[in-house]
Amino acid sequence: DAGVTQSPTHLIKTRGQQVTLRCSPISGHKSVSWYQQVLGQGPQFIFQYYEKEERGRGNFPDRFSARQFPNYSSELNVNALLLGDSALYLCASSLEQFLDQETQYFGPGTRLLVL
Amino acid sequence: AQRVTQPEKLLSVFKGAPVELKCNYSYSGSPELFWYVQYSRQRLQLLLRHISRESIKGFTADLNKGETSFHLKKPFAQEEDSAMYYCAIFGANNLFFGTGTRLTVIP
Repeated sequence: DAGVTQSPTHLIKTRGQQVTLRCSPISGHKSVSWYQQVLGQGPQFIFQYYEKEERGRGNFPDRFSARQFPNYSSELNVNALLLGDSALYLCASSLEQFLDQETQYFGPGTRLLVL
Repeated sequence: AQRVTQPEKLLSVFKGAPVELKCNYSYSGSPELFWYVQYSRQRLQLLLRHISRESIKGFTADLNKGETSFHLKKPFAQEEDSAMYYCAIFGANNLFFGTGTRLTVIP
C-alpha cells in the first residue's frame, strides 16, 4: 500500500484564482482530514470528512471547502486565493472517524504557492 | 479552547545525552495528547500517544496534569532521532498541533 497519496505535489497560482487539491486515503480508510501548514508553524486543522459527511471544521473562511467521494477520496477547494494561503496542505486518513483512539496517517502534502 | 505550546523551536544535544522536548497544553476537559515526528524527507507520523502509555524508539512522555505538561524524553539520544517533533492535543474531533521543535543530535 502506498499510503495516503496527494496530488499535485506542487502548485503555483496567482491571487484570486481557485485551486483544487486531491487526496486518496489508505485503502479501507473511511475518514479524511485536511490540514494547512504554514512555514514555521504546526499543521492547522481545516476539515474532517467521514463517510462522505463533514464531521469537523476548523477556523477557516468559507473560501475553503471540501468533499469526500464514494470511494473515500477527497478534494479540498480554495477560492479567491490570497497570498496567505501559501502553505503545505496535508491530508490524513484514518480507518474510522478520527477520534482519540484512532491513528491518523499523513500524506506527503501539496505545496501551494500563491503569487 | 485547546492550545499547545512548544517553547523551543530548536534543540541540540550530543549523541548519548538525555533529551527532553517540552510541551505545555491548555484544555478544559481530560486531555488526550500525542507526539508526532517528521524525519527528513518523510511524512508526519505518530510517535506516541498518552492513552497507550507505550515507549516508542526509547521515547516516553508523561502527562502531568498539575503542570499541564506532556514533555517527551529519551535517556540517550541517537543521531537518527534528529527530526521535527510536534506535540498535539485532541479536541473537537481533530488535532491541535504546537509549532514544533527541531531536534538535532550532534555526533
